[in-house]
Amino acid sequence: DAKTTQPPSMDCAEGRAANLPCNHSTISGNEYVYWYRQIHSQGPQYIIHGLKNNETNEMASLIITEDRKSSTLILPHATLRDTAVYYCIVRNSGGSNYKLTFGKGTLLTVNP
Amino acid sequence: SAVISQKPSRDICQRGTSLTIQCQVDSQVTMMFWYRQQPGQSLTLIATANQGSEATYESGFVIDKFPISRPNLTFSTLTVSNMSPEDSSIYLCSVSLQGDGNTIYFGEGSWLTVV
Repeated sequence: DAKTTQPPSMDCAEGRAANLPCNHSTISGNEYVYWYRQIHSQGPQYIIHGLKNNETNEMASLIITEDRKSSTLILPHATLRDTAVYYCIVRNSGGSNYKLTFGKGTLLTVNP
Repeated sequence: SAVISQKPSRDICQRGTSLTIQCQVDSQVTMMFWYRQQPGQSLTLIATANQGSEATYESGFVIDKFPISRPNLTFSTLTVSNMSPEDSSIYLCSVSLQGDGNTIYFGEGSWLTVV
């Protein structure tokens, strides 16, 4: 079973920041938080991941709370092309457990 | 990242037939996986493709139905055998890359419709 909880859907206005929450209250010390998105009819796209520090790349920022029980993915200036299902996944990046277990994700709709 | 090519990208298949999906990666990979995404559903892991040995299947998936090969580091096939309409899904190849912190990347998927 997925170890994360996400809202099923969210709306965002084009040009505004999209903040997607994720709860992972049972995360263990060696598990990372990964974010992927899936635009309709395409394979999932890797966005970002982190362990405990906040992370930023050209696509998004990831804010992880100090207790690591929740995180927020931030798309700073959402565009219509950011409409997708966003998946938050916790995963042990070490050892032999490389698997990704997908939940239902959040459908983000960016409106003009 | 890497270029992950899947063939076919889309197909319509007759009930009772089998179809083999190919996955080719342009970089050295450590792990290769096959996922299924049924209509309106999230992704489910079918198996881990192991180089030179039998794949490791997840609960609910068996080798007779989904035989998998991985003859080298960059290529794998998934066969969907004796197809029924319930097998209509997107089948996705995914990989983790050497020297890339074990991040997993996905191909564009193979859309199968069984009629």
